Amino acid sequence: DAGITQSPRHKVTETGTPVTLRCHQTENHRYMYWYRQDPGHGLRLIHYSYGVKDTDKGEVSDGYSVSRSKTEDFLLTLESATSSQTSVYFCAITQGQSSYEQYFGPGTRLTVT
Amino acid sequence: GEDVEQSLFLSVREGDSSVINCTYTDSSSTYLYWYKQEPGAGLQLLTYIFSNMDMKQDQRLTVLLNKKDKHLSLRIADTQTGDSAIYFCAAAVQNEKLTFGTGTRLTIIP
Repeated sequence: DAGITQSPRHKVTETGTPVTLRCHQTENHRYMYWYRQDPGHGLRLIHYSYGVKDTDKGEVSDGYSVSRSKTEDFLLTLESATSSQTSVYFCAITQGQSSYEQYFGPGTRLTVT
Repeated sequence: GEDVEQSLFLSVREGDSSVINCTYTDSSSTYLYWYKQEPGAGLQLLTYIFSNMDMKQDQRLTVLLNKKDKHLSLRIADTQTGDSAIYFCAAAVQNEKLTFGTGTRLTIIP
């Protein structure tokens, strides 16, 4: 699993509340990604990071922000959760600039009521 | 941008070969991937192929790439019950950002 953990693994929250999901990796990988998985859509890229304080937007970034203050942690924040953000969120890493092998964490199931 | 398409379902008898197909739109795609997802789990990288290759074999898995038609396939030989899962095709054009297909759910018939 390339040393990737995600927390929490499950969360139920109310519409309008902020939520932060954490991705933690233990192997000093430079590249990290956040995806969401929804039926009929596969996985879609939300944000990604190429290093500390170096982040960029993906395909579905509206309503989400990220931060990476340490190599090992990549945080995804839903600024004001909506029901359309109910999804399973996956963090991923790429092992290095010369590697194109992308490995995924176990996922966080988020329900917004 | 890139669009990756797969059929949603495939049923195969145990012991037969499974062939999962995928098409992509961007001819600049340099790496093409197959992932496996079992229920409640994350995505497991099965294999990937570079765009300058036509075929890659890894034990029971064979990946075929037709660049002209932008068509990728995954063949699983001697399909077993443990192969039941959703299989995702993904393409990378640049900067290692993957575009995924919707996934093919493989069901094994005993």
